[in-house]
Amino acid sequence: GEDVEQSLFLSVREGDSSVINCTYTDSSSTYLYWYKQEPGAGLQLLTYIFSNMDMKQDQRLTVLLNKKDKHLSLRIADTQTGDSAIYFCAESGGNAGNMLTFGGGTRLMVKP
Amino acid sequence: EAVVAQSPRYKIIEKRQSVAFWCNPISGHATLYWYQQILGQGPKLLIQFQNNGVVDDSQLPKDRFSAERLKGVDSTLKIQPAKLEDSAVYLCASSLDRGQVTHFGNGTRLTVT
Repeated sequence: GEDVEQSLFLSVREGDSSVINCTYTDSSSTYLYWYKQEPGAGLQLLTYIFSNMDMKQDQRLTVLLNKKDKHLSLRIADTQTGDSAIYFCAESGGNAGNMLTFGGGTRLMVKP
Repeated sequence: EAVVAQSPRYKIIEKRQSVAFWCNPISGHATLYWYQQILGQGPKLLIQFQNNGVVDDSQLPKDRFSAERLKGVDSTLKIQPAKLEDSAVYLCASSLDRGQVTHFGNGTRLTVT
């Protein structure tokens, strides 16, 4: 089946930029998503990008998509302690149909 | 802001008991999903509805799990009988239509003892 991979953990200092990376295998994905999950909470949609785009910027968030390498990244500028959470990359469309295929999540820890 | 509503937030049951979860999707959303998220993992799809019809239930353990969306709006997910390995967060999600942006509820955290 299709696969989405993320690194497990990232630690940054407050005010620095964070970059969370994701790789996927389904070259026919339609949408790629970033969700944020805080302890005990559901998944909050942060941003998404169509597969025909290279970049999307939304305030402090920048998503970069390299379709050739099947690589997606999320950059958070001026990272704050409130950004500490687990970040999930997901893809949909393509061979998996409309369902979302998630990575295992990257835990972001922001140190004061 | 429109939200996906789920209840209950938490449930603790003993193995072999039954449990049911309820979901009310965002108004007007035709597509509804149930995902299972085991601790430390990403969510995995259990079942997908389009209006009141099942689109994909290939990952649903049908010997113990069932789900319905009779009127094409609310949905219930049932586990009968529960096993220890069913301990997880059950997330409901909805989208306007298939292939559209998916929004999640806060989930129901199930603990089976």
